[in-house]
Formats: sequence, structure tokens, C-alpha cells
Amino acid sequence: AQKVTQAQTEISVVEKEDVTLDCVYETRDTTYYLFWYKQPPSGELVFLIRRNSFDEQNEISGRYSWNFQKSTSSFNFTITASQVVDSAVYFCALSEAGGAQKLVFGQGTRLTINP
Amino acid sequence: DSGVTQTPKHLITATGQRVTLRCSPRSGDLSVYWYQQSLDQGLQFLIHYYNGEERAKGNILERFSAQQFPDLHSELNLSSLELGDSALYFCASSRGDTIYFGEGSWLTVV
Repeated sequence: AQKVTQAQTEISVVEKEDVTLDCVYETRDTTYYLFWYKQPPSGELVFLIRRNSFDEQNEISGRYSWNFQKSTSSFNFTITASQVVDSAVYFCALSEAGGAQKLVFGQGTRLTINP
Repeated sequence: DSGVTQTPKHLITATGQRVTLRCSPRSGDLSVYWYQQSLDQGLQFLIHYYNGEERAKGNILERFSAQQFPDLHSELNLSSLELGDSALYFCASSRGDTIYFGEGSWLTVV
């Protein structure tokens, strides 16, 4: 069975600090997708990134970067120079590739950026 | 804005009642998904429809049902509501391998 673990329930940092959100996953599939979603206080789920299991290149998008390591089954998310607007709950999710794409979510990490 | 539209945004109803949540997927997306987010269960997959056909079922209660219509919009019907059904219900859609979520429908059962 697929499982996603976000061990950090809550993180609080001061603005401009760098912060890394951890995500560890379990799957028996050889091909799968990993996702990060952001849920701001307003409640919507905002897609941030999708990574294919066969593509282990790290990705950077502005202040956001993602480190995918298949060897440790981890897909960590780093925010550089954090801002108050980054305050949200962040979810890591896993799905099988192709077919019915049921997402299995982690429990989420509540990130608070203090001014 | 993800392009997925959900109505109503907020709903308060009494136990034992029935409600219908509506979802319009992104233009051109054939897949529609329903998810439930509650404090104790987190985000849980309920059901997936593709072009009108049910494709996968998750932890969906028998009191709940869904359908996808020919115009691709979808409805989630929740009946005999209980206090524990209070949650944020998300609809999502996809065309390829990325799933985009709507803003959710907040359901409160009192």
C-alpha cells in the first residue's frame, strides 16, 4: 500500500529564514508521481509541483526548490528566504502513474512564517 | 485560480438531511475526483470519474454517491448526514497526470 509521511506537524520560522519540509513515501510501484500542494488559510489546495519517479533531477522555481531522492524515498521541499505569505499547510502526495490517479496525501506540515 | 469550480462554498445543514455538492472541472478535463478533508482523517480520496464512468472508489461511505454528467460536471450527494460528515469536500480534475483542486465546499452538520 502507498503511504506518505510528513513527520513535521508544525514549523515556525522568522521571515527570511530558509525552511525545509520533509516528505517520505512508501510504494511498491516502480513508476509513480509525487506532488506538493499548498493550502493557505483560505482553504483551497494549490498545486505546486509534480515529479515523475524516473526523473530525479532537482527542481528550482524561484524561492522554491525540491529534492527528490529515490534511494531514501524522500521528496523534500525547501523555501528560501521565506515570506509571511508562505504561511500555509503544505501537503506531499503520491499517486501511481497512469490509470486512476488516486492521490495519497501526507498529514501535512503547518508552516508559520513570523515577521 | 485552478479553473475547477465548486458550489456551494459553505453549507450548514442538520443531521439526517441530504445535500448535493456541485463541481465543474477545468475546461477539457475528462477526469473528476472527489476528496474529503477532515480533522481526524486528513485528506481522503472518495471517488474518481472519467468521462461519465466511475473509475475508482476510495473511502466513500454508502450514504454518499456521485455522478458525472455528459457535460462533465459532477455532483456529490451526501445523505443521512451525521455530525462526523462535517468536512471540507474538494473536487479536482485532470487531463494528464496533474490533478488540480477547486476551492472546496465547507460542510457543517449541526
